Amino acid sequence: DAKTTQPTSMDCAEGRAANLPCNHSTISGNEYVYWYRQIHSQGPQYIIHGLKNNETNEMASLIITEDRKSSTLILPHATLRDTAVYYCIVRPPGGGSNYKLTFGKGTLLTVNP
Amino acid sequence: DAGVIQSPRHEVTEMGQEVTLRCKPISGHNSLFWYRQTMMRGLELLIYFNNNVPIDDSGMPEDRFSAKMPNASFSTLKIQPSEPRDSAVYFCASSLGQDNSPLHFGNGTRLTVT
Repeated sequence: DAKTTQPTSMDCAEGRAANLPCNHSTISGNEYVYWYRQIHSQGPQYIIHGLKNNETNEMASLIITEDRKSSTLILPHATLRDTAVYYCIVRPPGGGSNYKLTFGKGTLLTVNP
Repeated sequence: DAGVIQSPRHEVTEMGQEVTLRCKPISGHNSLFWYRQTMMRGLELLIYFNNNVPIDDSGMPEDRFSAKMPNASFSTLKIQPSEPRDSAVYFCASSLGQDNSPLHFGNGTRLTVT
């Protein structure tokens, strides 16, 4: 699986947009980019995923560069409840063992009042 | 709607005892995953089931660990005998098992082996 690189930590002011970067320069053409987050003492929570096009849902937006070597997760209006570790994961399509997610160390986002 | 349900939330046991962790996946999901999380190693996949059949157990640390999925709505992870180094948070996750279906995680079982 392609490796990802994320900053160890980031800060964001409450109400502002949080932009979390991820580098995945070795991504293959058919691999998807997934984002999960883990709030303290809870299980990882799925946020969003994409292949080539930008994606948006009720939680966040995902911007993938044209060469697909990096992406940015955007939380448009961060709240204190968004303080969590955010994981960027590259995942091959299809079944079998490709279903598994391999987690790195992620980015600790701290939203400050 | 109910998510992935794990029990117990916390388990404290003495070294050498048997420990059984339980998981109820989301109804309709046919893939189930057991993960372990520690400070040192982060989140690690232990085993993955598809349609109740173990597909990939390469992450199971040793023979003391075993996992079963007797039906589509229940899975167990058993450690026998338990050791202090097994102390961790154990997560169960499920998915639809289709291409690009996201995994949905439970809130985990925090295991402490003294």
